[in-house]
Amino acid sequence: DSGVTQTPKHLITATGQRVTLRCSPRSGDLSVYWYQQSLDQGLQFLIQYYNGEERAKGNILERFSAQQFPDLHSELNLSSLELGDSALYFCASGLRQGAKGYGYTFGSGTRLTVV
Amino acid sequence: SQQGEEDPQALSIQEGENATMNCSYKTSINNLQWYRQNSGRGLVHLILIRSNEREKHSGRLRVTLDTSKKSSSLLITASRAADTASYFCATDVSGGYQKVTFGIGTKLQVIP
Repeated sequence: DSGVTQTPKHLITATGQRVTLRCSPRSGDLSVYWYQQSLDQGLQFLIQYYNGEERAKGNILERFSAQQFPDLHSELNLSSLELGDSALYFCASGLRQGAKGYGYTFGSGTRLTVV
Repeated sequence: SQQGEEDPQALSIQEGENATMNCSYKTSINNLQWYRQNSGRGLVHLILIRSNEREKHSGRLRVTLDTSKKSSSLLITASRAADTASYFCATDVSGGYQKVTFGIGTKLQVIP
């Protein structure tokens, strides 16, 4: 258990629908990062929040939005879903200094399948 | 676009052999990180090397960084079947709480 909790683990939904993915960061981490990983692709950075505020934006579609709440959990909202949105969505929190230096702590991901 | 690109994209070796993966990147970095991902799982942070460091070790892992060539390598010595995973390099161009960019990864298969 990495300490970063993502729910749900799996989600199957139809095109045109809207879903919400949830992430609770590791205790003490103020930053949350969202990444999308499609089949055989690297991780595409979507968006970062720090202590409730948006800090950086990557290749996030207009149909997608996110927010971070006062308790630091974050939600990623995906709307008007298309088949191509099927992917693994990861949340990471950090940066946490440890024996290995700074690095992200990843959740186990949400696998979204759009049918 | 991806900042880091790993090479090779796939690697298959026998247990006990060493595995070397390379990462090239495009712009100046603050630090470079390596992560492991088991199939369909979250990424696990392995090691971080800062731009002013040239080599770093962690157990069976050895990472080198050549900022003049904008490249890094990850060496796994005495590989084990449990090392089978995808390995990603990630570059941090600014340090602090900014986005880190991942490569597409190297798929390593260690055959028992």
